[in-house]
Amino acid sequence: DAGVTQSPTHLIKTRGQQVTLRCSPKSGHDTVSWYQQALGQGPQFIFQYYEEEERQRGNFPDRFSGHQFPNYSSELNVNALLLGDSALYLCASSLGDPGADTQYFGPGTRLTVL
Amino acid sequence: GENVEQHPSTLSVQEGDSAVIKCTYSDSASNYFPWYKQELGKRPQLIIDIRSNVGEKKDQRIAVTLNKTAKHFSLHITETQPEDSAVYFCAASQNGYFNKFYFGSGTKLNVKP
Repeated sequence: DAGVTQSPTHLIKTRGQQVTLRCSPKSGHDTVSWYQQALGQGPQFIFQYYEEEERQRGNFPDRFSGHQFPNYSSELNVNALLLGDSALYLCASSLGDPGADTQYFGPGTRLTVL
Repeated sequence: GENVEQHPSTLSVQEGDSAVIKCTYSDSASNYFPWYKQELGKRPQLIIDIRSNVGEKKDQRIAVTLNKTAKHFSLHITETQPEDSAVYFCAASQNGYFNKFYFGSGTKLNVKP
């Protein structure tokens, strides 16, 4: 039973560039949520995808966008990178069912913006 | 929106002692409260969760209590071991489709052998 996977593991970009991060959910899960975790902080909710649509969004600017594919995998795109975007980006998968909302996290992608 | 506060930010205990981490939340509509353990450089791992229709839940050395009236919930670890050393996060969400999770700022637990 495959768990949540993310790629790449690490990424270094410069200010102004664009980045795409990828996530494959746990087998059987259809919902993907993305979080930003700054050093020493708890994860901050970015958005959530279900049935290829963004269903919930946190307090992040439009520079952060995403996509979900028919196979439930997901991408997080960040445009016009800022130094403050440096963080660990986590995706979490769950089952889109009110009674099954437990989220399982992937290993994360460490993004460094120089 | 929901606001989750977590205390203490760091906690140091002797092996075998108990550890307690507390969280408060602001939105009375929140009804699902998971706890995650994150070891250095690793993903957050769910260790226990509780729903608002339950006041306490226990799993071996770990227990969680919930006080809906006071809007706080706590993680209790008994007979701590060095491998319990990690950062622990509490979270709150509203059960249902497309729920957002709001996380606390974390507690770094150090269990001294």
